Amino acid sequence: DAGVTQSPTHLIKTRGQQVTLRCSPKSGHDTVSWYQQALGQGPQFIFQYYEEEERQRGNFPDRFSGHQFPNYSSELNVNALLLGDSALYLCASSLTSGETQYFGPGTRLLVL
Amino acid sequence: QKEVEQNSGPLSVPEGAIASLNCTYSDRVSQSFFWYRQYSGKSPELIMSIYSNGDKEDGRFTAQLNKASQYVSLLIRDSQPSDSATYLCAVKKSGGYNKLIFGAGTRLAVHP
Repeated sequence: DAGVTQSPTHLIKTRGQQVTLRCSPKSGHDTVSWYQQALGQGPQFIFQYYEEEERQRGNFPDRFSGHQFPNYSSELNVNALLLGDSALYLCASSLTSGETQYFGPGTRLLVL
Repeated sequence: QKEVEQNSGPLSVPEGAIASLNCTYSDRVSQSFFWYRQYSGKSPELIMSIYSNGDKEDGRFTAQLNKASQYVSLLIRDSQPSDSATYLCAVKKSGGYNKLIFGAGTRLAVHP
């Protein structure tokens, strides 16, 4: 049973560029949440997707957008990258009826 | 006041001792509580979840919840060097879909 997968594992971008991160949820899961974890901090909720719709959003600007596909996989897009966007980006999958979220390995983004 | 607060540590305990990790939360409508373990450079891994007041045991781990005091803790018995990691407390509010609110984590160091 495949767990949550994310790609790429590492990414280096420069300020102003755009980035797309990808996530495939655990088999059978239909809900995908994205989190940003800065160094030394806990993960911060960005948004959650269910049935291809953004269902809930955290306190992140519109530069952060996402998408969910019919197979439940998801993308996180960040436009106009800032140095402060450097972080570990985590995808978590769950059942919409379930309580527990399982995290993928994350994508480490460095903005120079 | 942060929604979820943890002592950042490091908490240093000798091998074989009991490690006690604490977490407080501010919102009384919180209904579900989770402990995740995160090794350096890795993603969070779920250790335990707890929903009702009292204790919940799983192997060497015991989670304790006191909703009246808005307090949740994790006890690790017979601590091993492999338990050295950052422990994240996460809270889910009632009606908040599956959005998790994390503390900043407590770093645990178990020394031989």
